Amino acid sequence: KNEVEQSPQNLTAQEGEFITINCSYSVGISALHWLQQHPGGGIVSLFMLSSGKKKHGRLIATINIQEKHSSLHITASHPRDSAVYICAVWRLDGQFYFGTGTSLTVIP
Amino acid sequence: DGGITQSPKYLFRKEGQNVTLSCEQNLNHDAMYWYRQDPGQGLRLIYYSQIVNDFQKGDIAEGYSVSREKKESFPLTVTSAQKNPTAFYLCASIDREDGELFFGEGSRLTVL
Repeated sequence: KNEVEQSPQNLTAQEGEFITINCSYSVGISALHWLQQHPGGGIVSLFMLSSGKKKHGRLIATINIQEKHSSLHITASHPRDSAVYICAVWRLDGQFYFGTGTSLTVIP
Repeated sequence: DGGITQSPKYLFRKEGQNVTLSCEQNLNHDAMYWYRQDPGQGLRLIYYSQIVNDFQKGDIAEGYSVSREKKESFPLTVTSAQKNPTAFYLCASIDREDGELFFGEGSRLTVL
């Protein structure tokens, strides 16, 4: 069993739709990262969360430490949001575990 | 701007050859990581280094080697002992003070 589980694996949405990607983990963590990987391959960190909720533009990330669960929401989705979104947990020992990613395609 | 530079972006290798992937950061981070990404799998840790002149094996270190002679540099050598080296390789570093995580653009290695 993976320490980090993401769902869904693939997601296709119409432009303007509200999107939710979920991440569950089974280990103790210092923080959780939501990462974005575009087709070119480079990865950028969108959010780092250790509690509560963060918002950046149309992106919202939440985390429930007790339930070991986090969600990434995209409001008013746009084709440029098409990417792979990866959940990564920063373990208490300083290492990272990664989910397998959610491939999002937003259709105009 | 601070960041991580990986090179080369694309690399082709014949079987039996060693290749070295470069990773340089100007973020003044102590901790650096090498990951391998294969289709349908999460990133897997090859090696990591928490400080200069020290590094530790990750989950899939066999067939790889690293060095950390300078804080800025963490090169990865893919040796001929690596059975299935064709993959996308990512270098990362982290600011342990605030947990900010940075990645390079990646290096795609293809063994012919």
